[in-house]
Amino acid sequence: QQQVKQSPQSLIVQKGGISIINCAYENTAFDYFPWYQQFPGKGPALLIAIRPDVSEKKEGRFTISFNKSAKQFSLHIMDSQPGDSATYFCAASQEGFKTIFGAGTRLFVKA
Amino acid sequence: SAVISQKPSRDICQRGTSLTIQCQVDSQVTMMFWYRQQPGQSLTLIATANQGSEATYESGFVIDKFPISRPNLTFSTLTVSNMSPEDSSIYLCSVEHRVDTGELFFGEGSRLTVL
Repeated sequence: QQQVKQSPQSLIVQKGGISIINCAYENTAFDYFPWYQQFPGKGPALLIAIRPDVSEKKEGRFTISFNKSAKQFSLHIMDSQPGDSATYFCAASQEGFKTIFGAGTRLFVKA
Repeated sequence: SAVISQKPSRDICQRGTSLTIQCQVDSQVTMMFWYRQQPGQSLTLIATANQGSEATYESGFVIDKFPISRPNLTFSTLTVSNMSPEDSSIYLCSVEHRVDTGELFFGEGSRLTVL
């Protein structure tokens, strides 16, 4: 029940295309759903996050879509660029408890 | 945000030795964590470093193998003891800069290779 399932494992997208990464969770007590971006040799960095009281959050080219009833959330990267090539982790947490990370998605954007 | 410095950034170690990783944060934080990330894998929480008391370890991790110190609100160390090749991994320090937000900041990691 503590798992966060992330797919796909890897993704190749053409420059200018839309990258979509999906995550699903079981624990309905989770109340914070962040996405982290990690470049090779670096630590993960928070990209965007959402709380379950909204269904969508957009920051620039990055959008989180959240479906509370389905217990799913996804990251959309619009107009994907080669500089977006990185590993993306979804995560979920609730106050006072540890953050649970998805398995990660390796995104490669072809120029 | 919080700026986190980790040392060493990488090291090659011999089997049976121990290595201590340092984590320094540029501001006082309540929550500090140590994660392990094996090559191409996700992040696994080792323990929560508690200031002034013993660290809280996750299932599968024990104090004898991964002793942790947290002498103040800006600094922590993780020691990987009696290393074996299976300990080859990236070790990451993380903090929750604003309490109970869930937002984590990470250091750049310490890449250990055990021969």
